[in-house]
Amino acid sequence: KAGVTQTPRYLIKTRGQQVTLSCSPISGHRSVSWYQQTPGQGLQFLFEYFSETQRNKGNFPGRFSGRQFSNSRSEMNVSTLELGDSALYLCASSLETASTDTQYFGPGTRLTVL
Amino acid sequence: QQQVKQSPQSLIVQKGGISIINCAYENTAFDYFPWYQQFPGKGPALLIAIRPDVSEKKEGRFTISFNKSAKQFSLHIMDSQPGDSATYFCAATYPGTYKYIFGTGTRLKVLA
Repeated sequence: KAGVTQTPRYLIKTRGQQVTLSCSPISGHRSVSWYQQTPGQGLQFLFEYFSETQRNKGNFPGRFSGRQFSNSRSEMNVSTLELGDSALYLCASSLETASTDTQYFGPGTRLTVL
Repeated sequence: QQQVKQSPQSLIVQKGGISIINCAYENTAFDYFPWYQQFPGKGPALLIAIRPDVSEKKEGRFTISFNKSAKQFSLHIMDSQPGDSATYFCAATYPGTYKYIFGTGTRLKVLA
C-alpha cells in the first residue's frame, strides 16, 4: 500500500506570493492533518480535515487555509508569504476518527521563502 | 497554548546503552501519548504509544513509562544501536481528535 505522498517536495517562493501544497493520503484514510515543522517551534498543528470538513484548527493566522476533496486528497494554501513561513510542511493521514488510530506522515514539502 | 515539554534537547549514548527521553504535559484531558521517530529527510513515524490507564508499555527495545499523577511520560530505548540515531518527538492529544501537541524533539546520537 502506498504511503502518504506530498507534492512538491521542495518549493522556493518570494515574500508576498502564495503557495499551494498537495497531500494524497493512504488509500482508505479519511482524515488528513497538516503540520508545520521548524527548528525553533518544532511540530505545530495547522488543521485537520475529515470528510471534506475542517474538524480541528491550530493557532495559525488566516493566511493558512486548506481543503479536502471527496477522494480525501488535501491541499494547503498559504497566501501573502512571509519569511517566517519557511518550514517543512507535513501532512499526516489516518483511517478513522479515534485519536488512537495511527497517523502516518508524508515526507513533507520543504518551503523556502526568500 | 497547551504544552508538552520534552528533555533533553540532545542525547549521546554509547552503543548498547539505554537512551531515556522525558516529557511532561499540562492538560489532564490528554488521553493518548505517542512517540514518533524522525530520520533526516523523512516524515515522523509512530514508534510506540500509550493511554493514561496504563503505566508501562513495551514493544521490543522500546518502553514507555507513564506517571499520571506527575503528568510525565518517558521513552526508554534499551540496547541502543547506531540505527536508532534520529530525532524523537513525544506528543499528546485530546479524545477524538488528531490535534497532536508535540514536544520540541530530542536528537539522539548512538555512538558505534
